[in-house]
Amino acid sequence: AQSVTQLGSHVSVSEGALVLLRCNYSSSVPPYLFWYVQYPNQGLQLLLKYTSAATLVKGINGFEAEFKKSETSFHLTKPSAHMSDAAEYFCAVREGYNKLIFGAGTRLAVHP
Amino acid sequence: GAVVSQHPSWVICKSGTSVKIECRSLDFQATTMFWYRQFPKQSLMLMATSNEGSKATYEQGVEKDKFLINHASLTLSTLTVTSAHPEDSSFYICSASSLTSGREAYYEQYFGPGTRLTVT
Repeated sequence: AQSVTQLGSHVSVSEGALVLLRCNYSSSVPPYLFWYVQYPNQGLQLLLKYTSAATLVKGINGFEAEFKKSETSFHLTKPSAHMSDAAEYFCAVREGYNKLIFGAGTRLAVHP
Repeated sequence: GAVVSQHPSWVICKSGTSVKIECRSLDFQATTMFWYRQFPKQSLMLMATSNEGSKATYEQGVEKDKFLINHASLTLSTLTVTSAHPEDSSFYICSASSLTSGREAYYEQYFGPGTRLTVT
């Protein structure tokens, strides 16, 4: 069965600093991996996805993630944090042909 | 494109009553929709997979008689919380699955904005 582990339930950065949110996966098949963002009382918005093409994936709002098979990781980064990036971030792995297994989430706080 | 709506966005009901939540794919057809439950400060928990024209598949531990799912058309799935109790208070999120285009097509989920249910 597939699973994802997000290291760090809370991450706090200064505005303008690097954002690094960690995600490690476990999968018995080549994985499809996703990062979603959730703002308070809203649904999920897809930031980016890895579907076995390029290992460095660029998403919306300046985020990117790199798939590293040797490390079973898919960490999310952004060079410079903005106040509007404060939200909950979920890493997910596909199970079967259309199910998603979510990590526990990481709450990103951005302070001035 | 690929917009999913939910109605209502929030609802308050009394204990013992039933509440219906609608999930619609507005600009695409979805043979499969998913229903998730999210407790405060927690991740999404998949409750069931809803397939158009057939019975929903429930995850282990989810009471199918309490959470009735109907997927009557390719654009509408409903979740009815029957005889609701305060412990059913939660944020319910649906998603609709659609096959992407391109050489490496796959089923992507598009999420609705969620429904906040409060049972008093």
